[in-house]
Amino acid sequence: GAGVSQSPRYKVTKRGQDVALRCDPISGHVSLYWYRQALGQGPEFLTYFNYEAQQDKSGLPNDRFSAERPEGSISTLTIQRTEQRDSAMYRCASSLGSLAGTSYNEQFFGPGTRLTVL
Amino acid sequence: EDQVTQSPEALRLQEGESSSLNCSYTVSGLRGLFWYRQDPGKGPEFLFTLYSAGEEKEKERLKATLTKKESFLHITAPKPEDSATYLCAVLHNYGQNFVFGPGTRLSVLP
Repeated sequence: GAGVSQSPRYKVTKRGQDVALRCDPISGHVSLYWYRQALGQGPEFLTYFNYEAQQDKSGLPNDRFSAERPEGSISTLTIQRTEQRDSAMYRCASSLGSLAGTSYNEQFFGPGTRLTVL
Repeated sequence: EDQVTQSPEALRLQEGESSSLNCSYTVSGLRGLFWYRQDPGKGPEFLFTLYSAGEEKEKERLKATLTKKESFLHITAPKPEDSATYLCAVLHNYGQNFVFGPGTRLSVLP
């Protein structure tokens, strides 16, 4: 079946503009995660959802960052008033769920959106 | 604070030269430790999940083991196609906040 998809794959924007990054998870996956990954580093957790509920947003850097998943499927990560330091690869992942000790936690990652803020 | 470190940062092996990658963690209540492979320009690809100390899992030339404070990814007789960055991540008991390590960049030379 189809994997996790993200759009756009590349986004170049000017400082101060708002951007919206989209994630389409694997069908039937309950949990959806957003990460930011700098070059040469592992993914850094931003936020995650179970169904439409945002369970943890402790990784969002500041209040310019927000995420939603209104119908429990597609999610959007929005960055308002972008700054150059927001430039990074933004990755989305989904999993079946969060049942402890089971394969439900295994995450499948999308290809990412490369954001460049000029 | 939960922390995950990986060593070495980079590793170069000759084809067929076996070695191990290390993932050390400090987390209050481990619910799972995950290994991923990441090729340049792509998202991480799931390899293994380990849930308790003493557990081992194998896949082709890769074998992952887990103790109470660290995990090892053993690579037996590697091939050039095993070249990638290997990431580990931990999931603790009180949430769904995965903490990733910085990764080990593995290069296998023919």
